[in-house]
Amino acid sequence: DAGVIQSPRHEVTEMGQEVTLRCKPISGHDYLFWYRQTMMRGLELLIYFNNNVPIDDSGMPEDRFSAKMPNASFSTLKIQPSEPRDSAVYFCASSPGYTQYFGPGTRLTVL
Amino acid sequence: DAKTTQPPSMDCAEGRAANLPCNHSTISGNEYVYWYRQIHSQGPQYIIHGLKNNETNEMASLIITEDRKSSTLILPHATLRDTAVYYCIATGNTGKLIFGQGTTLQVKP
Repeated sequence: DAGVIQSPRHEVTEMGQEVTLRCKPISGHDYLFWYRQTMMRGLELLIYFNNNVPIDDSGMPEDRFSAKMPNASFSTLKIQPSEPRDSAVYFCASSPGYTQYFGPGTRLTVL
Repeated sequence: DAKTTQPPSMDCAEGRAANLPCNHSTISGNEYVYWYRQIHSQGPQYIIHGLKNNETNEMASLIITEDRKSSTLILPHATLRDTAVYYCIATGNTGKLIFGQGTTLQVKP
């Protein structure tokens, strides 16, 4: 198994641009999680899905952030418009129940 | 989910056992204790979890006190590659993980 796949691994964009981060979970996992990590705030849960349905999005910082899971093998996290304070590493994780398996992350830099 | 408390940093000599403590005094009966670690620039990695019995796998051992208010993660023979931030998390049946600041373990030669 290839594990959780995230793309791109690095993204540099300018303030105001739309950014789309992608995640392919491990096959057969029913849960998918999006996290953000910064030096100041540590690792924060943004949103998670169960069977493609968003269950808890209380961690999504504001309306500029949106996440979708159109099918069991793909999820996106979109930021529109992006701001410099969105610069962080974004992790996707999937889980068959409780134990979560993390992807390598996407390092986003917004200039 | 119960709050956990860990020391911010620890050192360990290579080849020796690393014992990482965690307090979770408000843990409820259905909450598991999970340990993850994050090696620099990588995603967090699952290590081990337990409810009330001690657990062992190929990576580590988890010792949970009888009252479940604290636990210890043991890396029996630490190597330089075990240098990482170690997170102790108490979580119930939501499956959500709330990460704290963790313990930065520095394994020294």
